[in-house]
Amino acid sequence: GENVEQHPSTLSVQEGDSAVIKCTYSDSASNYFPWYKQELGKGPQLIIDIRSNVGEKKDQRIAVTLNKTAKHFSLHITETQPEDSAVYFCAASRGGNLFSNYQLIWGAGTKLIIKP
Amino acid sequence: ETGVTQTPRHLVMGMTNKKSLKCEQHLGHNAMYWYKQSAKKPLELMFVYNFKEQTENNSVPSRFSPECPNSSHLFLHLHTLQPEDSALYLCASSQEGYSSSGNTIYFGEGSWLTVV
Repeated sequence: GENVEQHPSTLSVQEGDSAVIKCTYSDSASNYFPWYKQELGKGPQLIIDIRSNVGEKKDQRIAVTLNKTAKHFSLHITETQPEDSAVYFCAASRGGNLFSNYQLIWGAGTKLIIKP
Repeated sequence: ETGVTQTPRHLVMGMTNKKSLKCEQHLGHNAMYWYKQSAKKPLELMFVYNFKEQTENNSVPSRFSPECPNSSHLFLHLHTLQPEDSALYLCASSQEGYSSSGNTIYFGEGSWLTVV
């Protein structure tokens, strides 16, 4: 079935450096790609998203890029800060039947650690 | 402060118990969801209610039973669970019940369930 592969599972970077998390999807009908951040003890929260008709989107220190041909998208965080430490999830929308229209296909998550 | 509130935050139950998880959203949304989150695995969508109508997910065992009395409240009734059902159960809501840009999914903080 359709899936989303997310790498790496854990990423440790020095404060101030950049972090990149990559995801690959398999459903060619996917057209919406959100990224969620989950802090300890909290639910996931949307931080940025991108639609398939756009190649890149930025919001301050975070950006997402999409390569539809290769079916992969990436999250870029620049000038990392301690508050960026969290688990990040990528997801892709699923095409198909009625139920699948409600679904996002989720990656397994990346634990980002910012070292002081 | 999240617009989606879940209670209880922690629950320990025996395999023969009956318990319920409760979710309330204060965002005026029309769709509500139950997700299961297990360590290092993608989020698993369990149930969707769109305008109070459930979309079935045949892969969820019958020991999990959802209830949506109105568009603001969602319950997950638990009965004769197994230890492998121990996980974080996340409630979420969105304006509409489909995945696309502009239809952000808002998560609660989750209910940690331990089955002993």
